[in-house]
Formats: sequence, C-alpha cells, structure tokens
Amino acid sequence: IAGITQAPTSQILAAGRRMTLRCTQDMRHNAMYWYRQDLGLGLRLIHYSNTAGTTGKGEVPDGYSVSRANTDDFPLTLASAVPSQTSVYFCASSDAGGDYNEQFFGPGTRLTVL
Amino acid sequence: GQNIDQPTEMTATEGAIVQINCTYQTSGFNGLFWYQQHAGEAPTFLSYNVLDGLEEKGRFSSFLSRSKGYSYLLLKELQMKDSASYLCAVVGSNYQLIWGAGTKLIIKP
Repeated sequence: IAGITQAPTSQILAAGRRMTLRCTQDMRHNAMYWYRQDLGLGLRLIHYSNTAGTTGKGEVPDGYSVSRANTDDFPLTLASAVPSQTSVYFCASSDAGGDYNEQFFGPGTRLTVL
Repeated sequence: GQNIDQPTEMTATEGAIVQINCTYQTSGFNGLFWYQQHAGEAPTFLSYNVLDGLEEKGRFSSFLSRSKGYSYLLLKELQMKDSASYLCAVVGSNYQLIWGAGTKLIIKP
C-alpha cells in the first residue's frame, strides 16, 4: 500500500544525544516536509524539501537538520537533543502536479527528551 | 504577522450539524485546506478551497470568503466517528502551509 512510513514510532532520549528520525515515501512525491505538533499549537514546519537534492528552513529549524539524497527518503536529525524538542514529529509529502497539492502525512514519531 | 484562528473545542450531538469556523490573516493566500486528525493519528485531507464559495463532499462541506479571510467546515449527520480535531491551514505566499491549532470536536450520543 502506497504511503509514508516513519521510524521509530516512539522514542525516549537522554538530553545531549543525537537522534535521526526516518521518513520514507513510495508515492514518488517531489516535495517532503517535517513538522512538529505540540499541544495547543498548530503544526509547525521544521524543514522542507521541494525536490531531491534541495532543502529549506521552515518556521522552527534550530537544532534540526535534514538531507534529501533521493526522492523517497527525508531523514530528520537532532544533533544534540534538548527537552524542548519533546514533541510529536510528522513527516509529510506532496505532489506539486496534483489537483490540490495536498500533503499526505506519515503516522508520526512521539519523541520524549529527558 | 500571520494568524489562523479556530475555536479550541466544540461539542455537538450525534445526528446534528456543526459548523467549525476559521479566520485567517496571512501575507498572501493561495488556498485553504481542512484536515481531520483523530487522537494519536496523522492528519488526513478533507477539503481544499481556493475560490470563494461552497465545496460539498458528502456529509462535509467547506466554505471560503477571501475578502473576509474566513472559512468554515460544515459537518452534517454527525456520527460518533467524527469525534476528532479539525485543522485549518492556509497556503501562504511562499506556498508553505500555515496551520491553525485545530478544533477538537466532541460528539455526544
């Protein structure tokens, strides 16, 4: 079944540790996104990629990095995790040539930084 | 600044109709999305409006007035499975989505 997968589903991490959240899509979408979702706040864009080989900063990029080596994968790395990065992280993708350019979301990764 | 406003929570009765409002102030407008998000799950696409007027899709309809910076999502014949959060998102001038905090809809029997 086509879609987006994320790994891990959840993770508890000690502050200062490095962590990479994985995201893979098989819909051949050109654009991919990383969001964080915190209680009482809307989804906030961390980084995005309009096409393989390019990335851009979103609203809250500090402390995070991404790479887009190919169309399917878009990993998000926390170089040195801090408690304020405790959140639910969603990866999404979209096809710029689609009717609505709607974003399709992965199931999310629940990250707790202690 | 850019701002998307939605009510935090609404309660409605099974079988009834509910209207969820969204007002926005953004630098640029290239469309408005509504997404549904059940607790602990990912958001899923419901509707998209770019022109003024009403878009109907089964039990769900979405309305847009660009001059008023206003949209609403109308849910008819409410079912218990409609209990979820409903997210309004505006496509801004850079074609990125600006998200509201979402409206939690509680359906009572």
